[in-house]
Amino acid sequence: EPEVTQTPSHQVTQMGQEVILRCVPISNHLYFYWYRQILGQKVEFLVSFYNNEISEKSEIFDDQFSVERPDGSNFTLKIRSTKLEDSAMYFCASSRENRGGTEAFFGQGTRLTVV
Amino acid sequence: GQNIDQPTEMTATEGAIVQINCTYQTSGFNGLFWYQQHAGEAPTFLSYNVLDGLEEKGRFSSFLSRSKGYSYLLLKELQMKDSASYLCAVRSLNSGGYQKVTFGTGTKLQVIP
Repeated sequence: EPEVTQTPSHQVTQMGQEVILRCVPISNHLYFYWYRQILGQKVEFLVSFYNNEISEKSEIFDDQFSVERPDGSNFTLKIRSTKLEDSAMYFCASSRENRGGTEAFFGQGTRLTVV
Repeated sequence: GQNIDQPTEMTATEGAIVQINCTYQTSGFNGLFWYQQHAGEAPTFLSYNVLDGLEEKGRFSSFLSRSKGYSYLLLKELQMKDSASYLCAVRSLNSGGYQKVTFGTGTKLQVIP
């Protein structure tokens, strides 16, 4: 069964450093998303991406964040100058379409720890 | 903005039925999802409603009333493995027709013997 894969599963970084979280969406999916979940809190939408551009972003997704689809398979989230409060589980998701009952399939997440 | 409310925790007995409620307020409503999330794992899709009424899928059913901004997830014949958080998520479309899915805080269900 096709799945969304994320690497690394766990990333530890020092405050102020840049991190890149990587995702390989399901191959025939066209819509890509990043979510984050701070420990014990709800899943929060960060950004959606379609046709090589951001289609929607939340207020969390400020200039510190950027996304890129550098090739035909990868979808990355870059966090510049990380802060302690960026520590969270980051989930990548993808969906085939943007309508109907087309659900997003989630990757297993990258746990980011900023120290 | 969007607002999604669901109970924080629930406890139910193995073999029983439990109903998890979700109320929401949003503009550009375009569907409601229920996801299951076990601790430390990714959310997994359970159900989708966009029209009023009940959708049944095995032991799980989901109901939607758009006029009331209300949904529930019904779990029958509870099993111990159903102990998880259940996330209500609302999809809305922006002016460009692109979707954003907003999650509620989740309801942590504990199934006891």
